[in-house]
Amino acid sequence: GIQVEQSPPDLILQEGANSTLRCNFSDSVNNLQWFHQNPWGQLINLFYIPSGTKQNGRLSATTVATERYSLLYISSSQTTDSGVYFCAVFNQAGTALIFGKGTTLSVSS
Amino acid sequence: NAGVMQNPRHLVRRRGQEARLRCSPMKGHSHVYWYRQLPEEGLKFMVYLQKENIIDESGMPKERFSAEFPKEGPSILRIQQVVRGDSAAYFCASSPPGVAGFTDTQYFGPGTRLTVL
Repeated sequence: GIQVEQSPPDLILQEGANSTLRCNFSDSVNNLQWFHQNPWGQLINLFYIPSGTKQNGRLSATTVATERYSLLYISSSQTTDSGVYFCAVFNQAGTALIFGKGTTLSVSS
Repeated sequence: NAGVMQNPRHLVRRRGQEARLRCSPMKGHSHVYWYRQLPEEGLKFMVYLQKENIIDESGMPKERFSAEFPKEGPSILRIQQVVRGDSAAYFCASSPPGVAGFTDTQYFGPGTRLTVL
């Protein structure tokens, strides 16, 4: 099955810093999503981005499907950005999201 | 427009009891997915349902776990004779009708945190 790997596993930043999170996947995909799981455990949709680039405020994402990776950029990080960031792709049958293990981000003031 | 609803948010059961977790999808969504998140781990797919049909249950444990999505009412994930290893957060997601998996974003509920004593 498809493998999803995220890096780095942990990231510690000072408020105001920028960061790049990476997601590699082992096979071609038709669906890729980025999620933020906040410290209260809620999963928040950030981007649906099977290819190309999208931006939403201080966050942007780029997926290069032909090279099987996606990047999530966080600029001017804030303490509220803390949590776990997950990348997920659909399996080949299109019936289930396969999640990476996540990147745990800690932003301190 | 209400999001995916799950209840209860927290559930405590003793070993051997039954746990019932409920999920109401977003309005207009007919596809429901259940995922489990063990402590310090990512989410793992359990089952994918459409109204009155189980489409993919490849992630469900073979015993004690079952899921349904009836014509009327919420989707139910049922765990019989719970054990301590069942302690986890259980998330439900929904997506709109269409060619699910290739064009549809999944929207997640707040999760149910099950603790087995």
